[in-house]
Amino acid sequence: AQSVTQPDIHITVSEGASLELRCNYSYGATPYLFWYVQSPGQGLQLLLKYFSGDTLVQGIKGFEAEFKRSQSSFNLRKPSVHWSDAAEYFCAVAPLGGYQKVTFGTGTKLQVIP
Amino acid sequence: NAGVMQNPRHLVRRRGQEARLRCSPMKGHSHVYWYRQLPEEGLKFMVYLQKENIIDESGMPKERFSAEFPKEGPSILRIQQVVRGDSAAYFCASSRESYAYEQYFGPGTRLTVT
Repeated sequence: AQSVTQPDIHITVSEGASLELRCNYSYGATPYLFWYVQSPGQGLQLLLKYFSGDTLVQGIKGFEAEFKRSQSSFNLRKPSVHWSDAAEYFCAVAPLGGYQKVTFGTGTKLQVIP
Repeated sequence: NAGVMQNPRHLVRRRGQEARLRCSPMKGHSHVYWYRQLPEEGLKFMVYLQKENIIDESGMPKERFSAEFPKEGPSILRIQQVVRGDSAAYFCASSRESYAYEQYFGPGTRLTVT
């Protein structure tokens, strides 16, 4: 069965600092990989996704993620964090091909301090 | 193009009452997914429906929970005889095709059972 691990429950960074959120997945083959962001009281917004090709994926709001097959990782990065980035971030996976339900990680809450 | 709509946004029910959660997918989308988010947890898949059909309900509790997506009207997630443990945020997502990467999420319904 597919699974997603986000080892960091909470992360605090200073505004302007760089950010990296970790995500590891477990699946027999390369799955679809996603990062979502959830602001308090809101639904989920897709930041970026990876299917194949270039392992460095650019998303919205200045985020990027790098797929590393050897490490089964899909870490999210941003070079300079803004206060508005404070939210909860979810990594998710879904197997390639046809319908497959999405499996989410437990999320990482990001706090941004001035 | 309006996004995925969910109502009500907040719902309070006493133990033993019924909860009905509605989800209107994006225009042109005929696939609906329901997820539940318990406090401090990620989203867990519940059910996947197409118009008039339940495709995958492997994440639905066996009792008290049901879902439908009629030919006309919104998708409904129904919880009978609610208990405190049903308190959670329930999110609906929709897609045009059955591909996971096209899922767009609604703002959620926050159910509180008193």
